Amino acid sequence: GENVEQHPSTLSVQEGDSAVIKCTYSDSASNYFPWYKQELGKRPQLIIDIRSNVGEKKDQRIAVTLNKTAKHFSLHITETQPEDSAVYFCAATNFGNEKLTFGTGTRLTIIP
Amino acid sequence: DSGVTQTPKHLITATGQRVTLRCSPRSGDLSVYWYQQSLDQGLQFLIHYYNGEERAKGNILERFSAQQFPDLHSELNLSSLELGDSALYFCASGGQMNTEAFFGQGTRLTVV
Repeated sequence: GENVEQHPSTLSVQEGDSAVIKCTYSDSASNYFPWYKQELGKRPQLIIDIRSNVGEKKDQRIAVTLNKTAKHFSLHITETQPEDSAVYFCAATNFGNEKLTFGTGTRLTIIP
Repeated sequence: DSGVTQTPKHLITATGQRVTLRCSPRSGDLSVYWYQQSLDQGLQFLIHYYNGEERAKGNILERFSAQQFPDLHSELNLSSLELGDSALYFCASGGQMNTEAFFGQGTRLTVV
């Protein structure tokens, strides 16, 4: 089955700087890669996703890149703000599987 | 509000007991996924139901079982509870060919 590895497990960034979280996946059939943000005590919420037919997607300060050959994808957050502090999870799946496999999470702390 | 409803929000029970967690998916969604999140841990996939049928199984213990009913709500049954079963249990729903998963608020289970 699919295996998703996520790095780093913790990340501290000065407010205003950029943050990058990286994930690798094992199943070459995976074609959908969402990112979820989970604030303390709350449910995970989708913040951005990318499908395998594109290499990059951007939504305001958040962007995701995908390298299918290397089987890795990354989340980029620019101009970080205190409200970006949370745990971020990457995930991978293919449409036929319909099961999201999550990475182990990255605890992002924005230092004011 | 994701549209996914989980009850109860909190549950405290003793070791050896049995509990039932309930999930109502978003209107129109046929898929229900169950995930377990232990303290400061990632999201561990338990089981996936689609339109009443089991579709995929993760690392779900034999003491745990689930089902999806004709009205598409799902129940996760946890029996012979152990201290280590204390966790946040999330359900998520998604529609056919829509791999975006919408999470409920979770049920926090504490076994004492």
